[in-house]
Amino acid sequence: DTAVSQTPKYLVTQMGNDKSIKCEQNLGHDTMYWYKQDSKKFLKIMFSYNNKELIINETVPNRFSPKSPDKAHLNLHINSLELGDSAVYFCASSQAEQNEKLFFGSGTQLSVL
Amino acid sequence: GIQVEQSPPDLILQEGANSTLRCNFSDSVNNLQWFHQNPWGQLINLFYIPSGTKQNGRLSATTVATERYSLLYISSSQTTDSGVYFCAVEEWGGSYIPTFGRGTSLIVHP
Repeated sequence: DTAVSQTPKYLVTQMGNDKSIKCEQNLGHDTMYWYKQDSKKFLKIMFSYNNKELIINETVPNRFSPKSPDKAHLNLHINSLELGDSAVYFCASSQAEQNEKLFFGSGTQLSVL
Repeated sequence: GIQVEQSPPDLILQEGANSTLRCNFSDSVNNLQWFHQNPWGQLINLFYIPSGTKQNGRLSATTVATERYSLLYISSSQTTDSGVYFCAVEEWGGSYIPTFGRGTSLIVHP
């Protein structure tokens, strides 16, 4: 069983479109995250969410929004896609308040044409 | 926010060689983790090590929290060790959000 799964693995779309990336974890973790990895491999936090609090990196455009239908899911919605949004997006989860390990999904490579 | 610096940025080894990767951080931390991103892009958690030393096979890690650094040792390197190694820290008293360094890119030649 995959611990953190995200879909799709590849997403190719046109500028201006709206898209979503889904993420699910079956580890019973209390906190889920979205990271963006740029072309230089730098991993930057976008969002952190547990059942109490959503923390948003202030540098993330408001075209990006996380949505959590339940504790095991944190989906990423992106409106009006731009060329600069092309990157690899990683979902992750941890039992953060118990200071446990962070586990990543396999990533979604987004290409905006 | 906390700053995380990794060195060296790039490393090329011959199979069988040993290496040490370093992670420096600018403030006190709740925890520190090491990750390996393989050439297929998958991020694997190697160690959760806020302090002390841990070993897992040919890999070991040491964190000296009072001096704000951690070291990852790779012994008898293999081609499958190639990839990018990241250090990630959570700032003490912060919001449980791991901040990543820029990584060390390792290539191991046969």
